[in-house]
Amino acid sequence: AQKITQTQPGMFVQEKEAVTLDCTYDTSDQSYGLFWYKQPSSGEMIFLIYQGSYDEQNATEGRYSLNFQKARKSANLVISASQLGDSAMYFCAMREGLSGSARQLTFGSGTQLTVLP
Amino acid sequence: GAVVSQHPSRVICKSGTSVKIECRSLDFQATTMFWYRQFPKQSLMLMATSNEGSKATYEQGVEKDKFLINHASLTLSTLTVTSAHPEDSSFYICSARDQALGTERHGGYTFGSGTRLTVV
Repeated sequence: AQKITQTQPGMFVQEKEAVTLDCTYDTSDQSYGLFWYKQPSSGEMIFLIYQGSYDEQNATEGRYSLNFQKARKSANLVISASQLGDSAMYFCAMREGLSGSARQLTFGSGTQLTVLP
Repeated sequence: GAVVSQHPSRVICKSGTSVKIECRSLDFQATTMFWYRQFPKQSLMLMATSNEGSKATYEQGVEKDKFLINHASLTLSTLTVTSAHPEDSSFYICSARDQALGTERHGGYTFGSGTRLTVV
């Protein structure tokens, strides 16, 4: 089974509108971390936001927020007030086990977001 | 913040030759380095995990004799693609994890800028 599932290969959003990128995950670990990265065409991986499995509140970082629904095992990324520069590939990723365990990140298949002027 | 310098950013090589990719942590000790491969419009797939001073752990299906990983110091890890073939053409990216870094809330994993390998 896929550990990280992103069901939207491509998404379009109008500039200044909000958009939600879906991510579901599968793990039997009680401790895990969820990450969202942005990858522009240049290839670099830009960290956006993190949610720990024990965090009771949804993470927020500027225009980014994470809608964490633990029972549903979903960690959707919400981008508010979209900008043209937000056009990129977005990856959801998971680290299983304790945060200090230096475990690898497992990535979803990504969502290509295009912001329309 | 933590920076991983990855070189080269692009390389074109002839089939049958070897290519070395370096990832250097500039301001922290990279105790663990992850090497990923990414084909166009696809996800990052973990190839191997290396810890300083020990042998790398390769993921299933990744040939350890073809993709040589050396993590001889806390600031340098290298991936050498030996006897490269056109099917090895891909985007290779490293990621470092340092236990002493700030929490994952601030990232926790630092990525290199990636290497686009084209084998002709």
